[in-house]
Amino acid sequence: RKEVEQDPGPFNVPEGATVAFNCTYSNSASQSFFWYRQDCRKEPKLLMSVYSSGNEDGRFTAQLNRASQYISLLIRDSKLSDSATYLCVVREAGNNRKLIWGLGTSLAVNP
Amino acid sequence: DTEVTQTPKHLVMGMTNKKSLKCEQHMGHRAMYWYKQKAKKPPELMFVYSYEKLSINESVPSRFSPECPNSSLLNLHLHALQPEDSALYLCASSQEATLADHQKNIQYFGAGTRLSVL
Repeated sequence: RKEVEQDPGPFNVPEGATVAFNCTYSNSASQSFFWYRQDCRKEPKLLMSVYSSGNEDGRFTAQLNRASQYISLLIRDSKLSDSATYLCVVREAGNNRKLIWGLGTSLAVNP
Repeated sequence: DTEVTQTPKHLVMGMTNKKSLKCEQHMGHRAMYWYKQKAKKPPELMFVYSYEKLSINESVPSRFSPECPNSSLLNLHLHALQPEDSALYLCASSQEATLADHQKNIQYFGAGTRLSVL
C-alpha cells in the first residue's frame, strides 16, 4: 500500500459544480496533513492545512477522518481558475521536515 | 506571491558544465529544502538544511552539491549532470518548530528552476 494515495482523476466538472477529492494515508501515527495546489509548470502552493475538527476556507472544506485514515477536500461552486492538480500531503510521523506526497488529483473545470 | 525567490527560472546546460541554482528567503525561516520534480510526479526531497547545517541528504548523487551560506540563502551546485537530471528544481523554506507545532512547519515553495541537461 502506498503511504499516501489519491485518485489521479482527471476530474472534469462544469463551472459551479461541487467536487470532492479523497486521500488515504497508511501511517496511523501521522499528525499533520495538508492540501497543496499546483498549476501546470508552477510550484506547489499551500491550499489548506487539515485540522482534526475539519476546517473551511471560503469555497474549500477539508476534513480528516483519523479512524479511517483519510483526508478529503471539498470544492464548492467551482471556478475555471480552480483547474489544477491537488496534492494530498502528510508529514512523516516523528519528522517535522519530511513530507509524503500523494501523486495528485487533476481537476479541470469547464465553462 | 511567493517569498521564496529562485534564480534562474530556466537553465540549459551541457553534461560537462558547472552551474549553480540559487534560492533566497527573507521570512526568517531556519529550515530550507531542495526538491526535484519530474513531469506528472510529486516533488522528491533531495536535501534539508536546518540552521545552516545539512540535516537530510536523501542519497542524492554527488553531482548535486548543496550549500547554505547563511540563513537566507541556499545554493545547489551542479556538475557533470545527466540528461535524466532534467526536471523542475524547487526550493522551499519553513520555520523550525516542534513536531506539535503544525502551522509553523508549513513549507513554502519558490517558483522553481526548470533545468534541461543536453
